[in-house]
Amino acid sequence: GAGVSQSPSNKVTEKGKDVELRCDPISGHTALYWYRQSLGQGLEFLIYFQGNSAPDKSGLPSDRFSAERTGGSVSTLTIQRTQQEDSAVYLCASLDGTSSNEQFFGPGTRLTVL
Amino acid sequence: RKEVEQDPGPFNVPEGATVAFNCTYSNSASQSFFWYRQDCRKEPKLLMSVYSSGNEDGRFTAQLNRASQYISLLIRDSKLSDSATYLCVVAPDTGRRALTFGSGTRLQVQP
Repeated sequence: GAGVSQSPSNKVTEKGKDVELRCDPISGHTALYWYRQSLGQGLEFLIYFQGNSAPDKSGLPSDRFSAERTGGSVSTLTIQRTQQEDSAVYLCASLDGTSSNEQFFGPGTRLTVL
Repeated sequence: RKEVEQDPGPFNVPEGATVAFNCTYSNSASQSFFWYRQDCRKEPKLLMSVYSSGNEDGRFTAQLNRASQYISLLIRDSKLSDSATYLCVVAPDTGRRALTFGSGTRLQVQP
């Protein structure tokens, strides 16, 4: 079946602009995560959605970052007033939540802030 | 101190060699442990879970030492296709299940 998809695959923006990154999780997966990976670094947790529960936003680095998950499926990560240090690969993952602990990752969005 | 620490490498080994990676984690309440593999400019993919009793999957063996808060991955008979970055991953909270990733150990298997 289809895996996790993300769009766009690449995004180049100017400092100060807002960007929206989209994630389509695997159908039926109840949990959705956003991570970011800076060059040569490990993945950094940003935010977690589980069903209809309030999201865990503890990993968001500043109030310029926000995310929504509509209808328990598609999620959008928004970064306002982008800064150069926001440049990274933003990865989305989804989890079945019942039968498996495996998180399935999308291919990521490579964000470059000039 | 990082929550999950790994030697970044690179480990350059010849085909057929046995190579071992180690990882330490700081949160003693951690519940779940994994090794993920990440190819260059690709997303991470689960290689194997790590169980307290140790577990093996073909050429790969994972070990967990809770007392020392230490995880290892052993790769036997290395193949060129094993070249990748290996990420040590810990889930500190089974409820949230968000993963804490090490920075990865890069392996380069040479012909």
